[in-house]
Amino acid sequence: DSGVTQTPKHLITATGQRVTLRCSPRSGDLSVYWYQQSLDQGLQFLIHYYNGEERAKGNILERFSAQQFPDLHSELNLSSLELGDSALYFCASSVARTGIGELFFGEGSRLTVL
Amino acid sequence: GQQLNQSPQSMFIQEGEDVSMNCTSSSIFNTWLWYKQDPGEGPVLLIALYKAGELTSNGRLTAQFGTTRKDSFLNISASIPSDVGIYFCAGPYNNNDMRFGAGTRLTVKP
Repeated sequence: DSGVTQTPKHLITATGQRVTLRCSPRSGDLSVYWYQQSLDQGLQFLIHYYNGEERAKGNILERFSAQQFPDLHSELNLSSLELGDSALYFCASSVARTGIGELFFGEGSRLTVL
Repeated sequence: GQQLNQSPQSMFIQEGEDVSMNCTSSSIFNTWLWYKQDPGEGPVLLIALYKAGELTSNGRLTAQFGTTRKDSFLNISASIPSDVGIYFCAGPYNNNDMRFGAGTRLTVKP
């Protein structure tokens, strides 16, 4: 158990819909990262928050947004969903402010868009 | 932009064989990390490397931080069935995010 909690574990929805994925980092970790993993693909970096502030953006679509709340949990919002958005979405946390340090991953949220 | 090239893409080996995989970067890294992802799970850190030339072991796993700081290697000795999974290299990009290679998918035949 990494200590990172992601909900929901599975989500099935239709094209055009909007979903919210939630992540609770390990106790004491201030950094939260979001990654997308499509079928048989690597981990694509989406966005990084540190203590409520956005630190870096990767290949995140404009239809996607995220935020980190004062209690340090984070949410990833995916809107106007398309079939190609079906993927595993991972949250990872770290104690480090920068991208240097061990990331602890949650078990992921598997999104299926029909 | 900065890219991590990981090879091989996949490997099919017999139980007991040794495995080698590597990762190269288009620019210098100060840190190299190796993660393993079991099916249906999130990646888990195996080994972290922080200095050029560093050689670090974790059980049957050995990783090296290349002296050019643009590459890293992971070796698994005497593979066993539970070594099956996807192995990712990772490194910091612009010090603000961790980028991952495309992964090496390892299959071990008993």
